[in-house]
Amino acid sequence: TQLLEQSPQFLSIQEGENLTVYCNSSSVFSSLQWYRQEPGEGPVLLVTVVTGGEVKKLKRLTFQFGDARKDSSLHITAAQPGDTGLYLCAVRRPTSGTYKYIFGTGTRLKVLA
Amino acid sequence: DAGITQSPRHKVTETGTPVTLRCHQTENHRYMYWYRQDPGHGLRLIHYSYGVKDTDKGEVSDGYSVSRSKTEDFLLTLESATSSQTSVYFCAISGRGQYTGELFFGEGSRLTVL
Repeated sequence: TQLLEQSPQFLSIQEGENLTVYCNSSSVFSSLQWYRQEPGEGPVLLVTVVTGGEVKKLKRLTFQFGDARKDSSLHITAAQPGDTGLYLCAVRRPTSGTYKYIFGTGTRLKVLA
Repeated sequence: DAGITQSPRHKVTETGTPVTLRCHQTENHRYMYWYRQDPGHGLRLIHYSYGVKDTDKGEVSDGYSVSRSKTEDFLLTLESATSSQTSVYFCAISGRGQYTGELFFGEGSRLTVL
């Protein structure tokens, strides 16, 4: 059973369209991260949200952390081909000596020109 | 860019052979992680390290072992590779400061077990 479920799994849209992807769990988290991964590369951090209800904006990307801190969404306005990639949510879980980072199942986005 | 290099970047091997993947960092970070990435599963944690000779298991550790004899190197070993271990393997190190908790990733090692 995955701790973090992302939806949709795949998304193909035209340039200029808006989209929202979701990251859901039944557990409560102290913070949540979003990463983007381009083909042939490792994931890169986009944002960390730490407060229930928090909204962060990164240019055309808007991230929201649910009020109960169990879920998060990523909204992209006027998508561009450069937004194409795999979007992953992740949480940190404390463990002996450090934190474990647990990732969601991912949403693969393709933006067509 | 975080100084993380993985080697080899690509490897094809046969079932039953041992394989070692290397992760080398130049950032002097204490925490290092090995993940595997498969379609529909995102990234799954194999093993992690919180210091020299301090390692622990992740979610999918069966069939894998790790070693960390120096701060800069974290080795992942498949003692006897199986086809189910065909995957892309990523090494990661923790970010600067526990507040941000950012993970920096290497470029990945693609392993094919025939």
